[in-house]
Amino acid sequence: DAGITQSPRHKVTETGTPVTLRCHQTENHRYMYWYRQDPGHGLRLIHYSYGVKDTDKGEVSDGYSVSRSKTEDFLLTLESATSSQTSVYFCAISESIAGSLELDTQYFGPGTRLTVL
Amino acid sequence: DQQVKQNSPSLSVQEGRISILNCDYTNSMFDYFLWYKKYPAEGPTFLISISSIKDKNEDGRFTVFLNKSAKHLSLHIVPSQPGDSAVYFCAASAIQGAQKLVFGQGTRLTINP
Repeated sequence: DAGITQSPRHKVTETGTPVTLRCHQTENHRYMYWYRQDPGHGLRLIHYSYGVKDTDKGEVSDGYSVSRSKTEDFLLTLESATSSQTSVYFCAISESIAGSLELDTQYFGPGTRLTVL
Repeated sequence: DQQVKQNSPSLSVQEGRISILNCDYTNSMFDYFLWYKKYPAEGPTFLISISSIKDKNEDGRFTVFLNKSAKHLSLHIVPSQPGDSAVYFCAASAIQGAQKLVFGQGTRLTINP
């Protein structure tokens, strides 16, 4: 199993409060991703990172920000949580294939279940 | 705008028979396709992938077929086993770049004894 942990694994919070989710990897992979999973939508990309301090938006980035100050940690922040952000959040990691422009398969963490009341 | 679609929310198959899961996509820029398997309360785990230069990729009991003209891919599992019961997601991306995966909605596969 890829060395990916997510914390917390479960969180209940109230509307309007800030929330930070953490993804930690021990694989030294360059690429890290945050997805959310909702019924009827599969997984949707929120933000991703292609290196320390290098991040970009995904498909559903509104209301979320990210930071990556170290290779091993990728933080997802909800500045002011809303009920529509109740979801299961997954982190994933990937790395370049040596000598290629391609990336290796993405490996996912165990997920964080967030409930916003 | 759902660029990757799995039109069957669920599928029930008898143990030992073939399971066929289908996926359609609309974006002709996609050139790399993957299948992930997901058990409850766990993250998705990679199953098999195929690039657009191939039309078939096989790994043990799992085979993925790609029909580029129809923008359709399918996952065949044979023989199906009880441990295959899970939700299966297909995903697509462009090979070059950050591999931003676009997922289908998922199909829940149940293998009956």
